[in-house]
Amino acid sequence: DAKTTQPTSMDCAEGRAANLPCNHSTISGNEYVYWYRQIHSQGPQYIIHGLKNNETNEMASLIITEDRKSSTLILPHATLRDTAVYYCIVRVASYKLIFGSGTRLLVRP
Amino acid sequence: GAGVSQTPSNKVTEKGKYVELRCDPISGHTALYWYRQSLGQGPEFLIYFQGTGAADDSGLPNDRFFAVRPEGSVSTLKIQRTERGDSAVYLCASSPTGASVQETQYFGPGTRLLVL
Repeated sequence: DAKTTQPTSMDCAEGRAANLPCNHSTISGNEYVYWYRQIHSQGPQYIIHGLKNNETNEMASLIITEDRKSSTLILPHATLRDTAVYYCIVRVASYKLIFGSGTRLLVRP
Repeated sequence: GAGVSQTPSNKVTEKGKYVELRCDPISGHTALYWYRQSLGQGPEFLIYFQGTGAADDSGLPNDRFFAVRPEGSVSTLKIQRTERGDSAVYLCASSPTGASVQETQYFGPGTRLLVL
């Protein structure tokens, strides 16, 4: 699976959009970009995934660049409960998720 | 509906002891996964079950670790002769079939193991 690079930490103000970047420059054509998050003392929670088109669901939006070498997870109106570690994963094997160290997002009041 | 549950939520044991960690997947999910998460790190894959059989156990660190899923539902992760380095959060996840790269894995809350 392709390696991902994420900033170690970020912060944003409550109510503002949180934009979390991820670089995956070695991604292959059949590899999906997945985002999970982990709130303190809980198991990882699925957020969203995509192949090449932008995706949106009730939690977030995923913007994938045309060359697929990077992506951005957008939380449109961050709340304090969005404080968590966010993991960007490039996935080809159906059963194995390979997590990096993620981005620690702090939402400030 | 009920999510993935894991018991116990916390386990403290002494070096050299044997421990069992239990995972109850979402009802009807045939695929089950174990991961281990050390402090400050992302989860690491340990083993994947498809039904009753271990389809991939390549992530188990050594032969002290063993997992079973005898009836294709509940799974038990067993650690023999525990070492302090085994201290971590052990996460279980399940998914409906395990057959699609677009299939979401649903995680339990984890068991926090501390080996003294």
